[in-house]
Amino acid sequence: DSGVTQTPKHLITATGQRVTLRCSPRSGDLSVYWYQQSLDQGLQFLIQYYNGEERAKGNILERFSAQQFPDLHSELNLSSLELGDSALYFCASSGREPALFFGPGTRLTVL
Amino acid sequence: ILNVEQSPQSLHVQEGDSTNFTCSFPSSNFYALHWYRWETAKSPEALFVMTLNGDEKKKGRISATLNTKEGYSYLYIKGSQPEDSATYLCASGMNNNAGNMLTFGGGTRLMVKP
Repeated sequence: DSGVTQTPKHLITATGQRVTLRCSPRSGDLSVYWYQQSLDQGLQFLIQYYNGEERAKGNILERFSAQQFPDLHSELNLSSLELGDSALYFCASSGREPALFFGPGTRLTVL
Repeated sequence: ILNVEQSPQSLHVQEGDSTNFTCSFPSSNFYALHWYRWETAKSPEALFVMTLNGDEKKKGRISATLNTKEGYSYLYIKGSQPEDSATYLCASGMNNNAGNMLTFGGGTRLMVKP
């Protein structure tokens, strides 16, 4: 158990809908990262937050947004969902050491 | 955009064999090289983080080396066991003064036959 929690574990929704994925980092970690793993693709970096502020942005679509709250939990919002957004979404956190601690992931299926 | 390549994509070995995989990464703006172990139905777990050229790290039967000048890292597993079966991911960190952004390779899937 990495100490990072993600909810929900599974999410099935329809095209055009909007969903919110939630992540709580390990106790004391200030950085939260979001990654997407689509079929036959490696882990794609989406976005990083540090203590409530956006620090780095990867290949995140404009339909996607994220934020980190004062209690350090983070939410990833995905809107106008398309079939191709079906993927495993991982949240990870890090503290003083650079290693990432990954949550169990949220599997999103868009029908 | 960083391009992190791992080879081979997959590897089948017999229990007791020693094996190694390669991770290649662009050496410009290099910050750190991470290795993660990802078992099926679980989430990736950190093995090593290396930052200096010539770094060598070891954890039990698994070790890793780093060459930042030529942009590669090797992961070695000595005496593979069935429980070593997993996908091994490397990730290169680029320090752009805006965060610790890691780019992951596609992974090497290791299967160890008893």
